Formats: sequence, structure tokens, C-alpha cells
Amino acid sequence: EAGVAQSPRYKIIEKRQSVAFWCNPISGHATLYWYQQILGQGPKLLIQFQNNGVVDDSQLPKDRFSAERLKGVDSTLKIQPAKLEDSAVYLCASSLILHEQFFGPGTRLTVL
Amino acid sequence: GNSVTQMEGPVTLSEEAFLTINCTYTATGYPSLFWYVQYPGEGLQLLLKATKADDKGSNKGFEATYRKETTSFHLEKGSVQVSDSAVYFCALIPRNRDDKIIFGKGTRLHILP
Repeated sequence: EAGVAQSPRYKIIEKRQSVAFWCNPISGHATLYWYQQILGQGPKLLIQFQNNGVVDDSQLPKDRFSAERLKGVDSTLKIQPAKLEDSAVYLCASSLILHEQFFGPGTRLTVL
Repeated sequence: GNSVTQMEGPVTLSEEAFLTINCTYTATGYPSLFWYVQYPGEGLQLLLKATKADDKGSNKGFEATYRKETTSFHLEKGSVQVSDSAVYFCALIPRNRDDKIIFGKGTRLHILP
């Protein structure tokens, strides 16, 4: 079974630029999550989708971050404009049943 | 609110040593508890879990017991290997079943050959 795929794996941008990350969940998984993991900390949930609807986006900085999950499969997370403090690893996860989240390898973002 | 506290790292041990990584939690009711592992350059992998008090989760030689009296879920392994070097995250999902995982800050484990 293929795992959660993410791209790119690494991205370096300058502050005020825009960036987008892509996630392809495990086939059949209805729930998709985006996490932000700052160096030395645990992952923090940014947004949770159930199919193509948003379940929880309470910790998403909506002035600069946006996410969509068209057709309830792939998802993109965008940052516009980026700030220095956005440097982190962005993790995507998916789940079929409660409590079983499978994580992708993440995208490491560096904002200069 | 809900939170997870785990021992700070890095933890450095010699191969075949006994491992304990402490984890305590604060939550309303009885949450489900998890240990995730993150190997270098990879995403998080579920290592083990326990969904009710006194349950013991186990996998790959690692164990953790859900202790509601002490609100703890300490990770143990009797004999560590170099390949166990990774970052370990303790986590919980509250009993309200909203599926939102709350992670600890992680403990980096380094095993010396």
C-alpha cells in the first residue's frame, strides 16, 4: 500500500514570497490533516479535512495560510506571503478510522 | 486544557541499554495515548497506542502502559539498538473524539554502538 506522498521535500524562499505544498493521501482515506512542525517542537495541527470539507482550521493563520482539498483527494497548502517564522516542516497525514493517522515525509520550508 | 509533557532530550545511551522516556499528560476524562517515532528525514510513524486505563501498547520491543493514577504513559525498551536512534513523540487524543492529536515536544534518542 502506498503511503502519504508530499512534494516538494525541500523548499527555500525569501520572505514575502509565496509557496505551495502538495499532499496525496492514502487511497480511500477520507480525513486529511496538515501539521506545522517547528524545529524542536511537536507537530501542531493547522487544518483538518473530512472529504473536501473543513472540520477544524482553528489554528490556521488565515491571513496568510490557505488550504484546499478539491474532490476530496489531493490537497494543497499555500502560504502567501511567507514570514521568517514560517520556517518549519509541514506534514500531511491521512486517516481512515479514528486514531490511525499516517504521516507523509514532510516538506521542509526555509524562509530567508 | 489538554497537554502532553515528555522528558527533554537528547537522551544518549549505549547499545543494549535499558530505555525509559517519561511522558505525562493532562486531559479531561480518559484520552487515548500514543507514541510516535520520527526517523531522520522521515515523517512520523505510529509506534504504539493504548485507548483505556491499564492497557499496554507494544511494538518492536517497545512498551508503554496507560496509568490513569499517575496520568503517565512512559515508553520503555529493554535493550536498545543503534537503529532506534530517532525522535520519539508522546501524544493524546481527547475523549471527546474530535480526532485532534496533541503532541509533546519530542525526545531525541541517540544510541551509541
